[in-house]
Amino acid sequence: NAGVTQTPKFRVLKTGQSMTLLCAQDMNHEYMYWYRQDPGMGLRLIHYSVGEGTTAKGEVPDGYNVSRLKKQNFLLGLESAAPSQTSVYFCASSYSNVGNTIYFGEGSWLTVV
Amino acid sequence: GDSVTQMEGPVTLSEEAFLTINCTYTATGYPSLFWYVQYPGEGLQLLLKATKADDKGSNKGFEATYRKETTSFHLEKGSVQVSDSAVYFCALSDRNSGYSTLTFGKGTMLLVSP
Repeated sequence: NAGVTQTPKFRVLKTGQSMTLLCAQDMNHEYMYWYRQDPGMGLRLIHYSVGEGTTAKGEVPDGYNVSRLKKQNFLLGLESAAPSQTSVYFCASSYSNVGNTIYFGEGSWLTVV
Repeated sequence: GDSVTQMEGPVTLSEEAFLTINCTYTATGYPSLFWYVQYPGEGLQLLLKATKADDKGSNKGFEATYRKETTSFHLEKGSVQVSDSAVYFCALSDRNSGYSTLTFGKGTMLLVSP
């Protein structure tokens, strides 16, 4: 039972570099989310998608882009990484709205130096 | 906008002690309320939820009651175990987002000693 899988799990970037985090879910879920978790800040929503081909901004979207070309995948891109983007990133998915259980991945630790 | 306020941690308890983690919220309309738990090195897992006033969510000995009059959703457990050590997040979702997204509190760390 894979559930929600994130790659990579750990990455160190230099300021200005770009990278993409990949999230894959095998539960045929419509909704997918990217959150970031920072000490003392809880989880904050970056972007989300309510279906294949759709994306929407969350609370902290600046500096990130996303794409949902396939239903099972949700990509988070950093075009020009900044130290402020050092964080733990969590992908999540749910069947429909949050009345249904949201399933989280195990997290991706990103450090920007 | 929506917001969730949790008591600051860490909360440190001895095994078999009673646990309360306070959570209050601000939201428009009638939100759904959730508690999520995060064990070390893992993602979040849904612990329990309540979707309308006076509902009680329960799971694994944990309980929380949706109190509309006090805008609260406090988490309780009668007898904690060492294995309950984790970070607990209160969260809400409301009609403004089409119940599509969650707003989280900052989390409360619970440490249970033998």
